[in-house]
Amino acid sequence: AQTVTQSQPEMSVQEAETVTLSCTYDTSESDYYLFWYKQPPSRQMILVIRQEAYKQQNATENRFSVNFQKAAKSFSLKISDSQLGDAAMYFCAYRQGGSEKLVFGKGMKLTVNP
Amino acid sequence: DADVTQTPRNRITKTGKRIMLECSQTKGHDRMYWYRQDPGLGLRLIYYSFDVKDINKGEISDGYSVSRQAQAKFSLSLESAIPNQTALYFCATSDFRPWELFFGEGSRLTVL
Repeated sequence: AQTVTQSQPEMSVQEAETVTLSCTYDTSESDYYLFWYKQPPSRQMILVIRQEAYKQQNATENRFSVNFQKAAKSFSLKISDSQLGDAAMYFCAYRQGGSEKLVFGKGMKLTVNP
Repeated sequence: DADVTQTPRNRITKTGKRIMLECSQTKGHDRMYWYRQDPGLGLRLIYYSFDVKDINKGEISDGYSVSRQAQAKFSLSLESAIPNQTALYFCATSDFRPWELFFGEGSRLTVL
């Protein structure tokens, strides 16, 4: 079964600095998608960024980028120029192509210090 | 208005009561899901549906039932609530590839 591991339960970063959130996953499949979701105190789950496994280029969305290392099964999220509004729980998630199940990691709490 | 709307947002109930959580969406997606979130456990899939005639169990369906009343509506029921069903419940929708989920704002349920 596929698993997603977020080994750091909490991290903190100073405003305007860069932080990297780690995620590893376990799969034997070749067709899959990886996601980072953000859950602020408002509790809604918001998609931050998506990576298709077949794409070699790392996904980027404004201040958010990923380091996708397919062979190492690693999918880290880099947040540049951190803002107070980035403070939230962050969840890494995996979805096999054709499967209805999105497998989530246990989450990581990010604190942004002013 | 939100694309995926859940009601109620918060609910406190007693053990043994029947509870229904409702979800409606305006995204036009065929796929709808119910997830449960517990602290330290991430989100786990309860049920999912491809259309009104296609309902499927997820990994933790025991103690829950669902109804897909229309393409846009998917409700979750707890026939006889118990305290360990206290959790944050999310409804979500999805299109075909790229498979990302669009979540509602969550329904926090407390069973006393």
